[in-house]
Amino acid sequence: EAGVAQSPRYKIIEKRQSVAFWCNPISGHATLYWYQQILGQGPKLLIQFQNNGVVDDSQLPKDRFSAERLKGVDSTLKIQPAKLEDSAVYLCASSLLKGGDNEKLFFGSGTQLSVL
Amino acid sequence: DAKTTQPTSMDCAEGRAANLPCNHSTISGNEYVYWYRQIHSQGPQYIIHGLKNNETNEMASLIITEDRKSSTLILPHATLRDTAVYYCIVRVASPGANNLFFGTGTRLTVIP
Repeated sequence: EAGVAQSPRYKIIEKRQSVAFWCNPISGHATLYWYQQILGQGPKLLIQFQNNGVVDDSQLPKDRFSAERLKGVDSTLKIQPAKLEDSAVYLCASSLLKGGDNEKLFFGSGTQLSVL
Repeated sequence: DAKTTQPTSMDCAEGRAANLPCNHSTISGNEYVYWYRQIHSQGPQYIIHGLKNNETNEMASLIITEDRKSSTLILPHATLRDTAVYYCIVRVASPGANNLFFGTGTRLTVIP
């Protein structure tokens, strides 16, 4: 079974530039998550989709971050304009069940972003 | 949200059992305890979860105290590939929002 695919693996940009990350979840997984992981910290949720609808985006800095999941499959996370503090690994995860406490999340390898 | 407390780091000799503790004294009755681990340059990987009873799978065992205020993840025979950051997470039981809240975890180093 193919895992969660993310691209690019690495990205280096200058501050005030824009950047986009792509995620393709495991086939059939209805729920998709974007996490931000700053060096030395645990992952922090940015946004959660259920099919193509947003379930939780309370931690997403909406003035510069945006995400979409058209057709309820793959997803794109964008930052515009980027700041130095956006340097982090951006992780995508997906899960099969809509809800319930037994849900497991499957993570991709992430995109490492460096903002100079 | 129920919070968890874990040691910052631990060492374990290769081939020995690794016992990783976690305190979650404010856990609610309907919240599960999850363990994930993150190997360098990879995304987190699910290990095991439980509610009240002890659980075992091919990767590890989870021991939850009777009062559910703490738990221990056991890797029975640690190998070098088990070197990773281990996260203990108490699952928020919120309708429609099933994300995981990660702390800083325990960095386990398996020593040859």
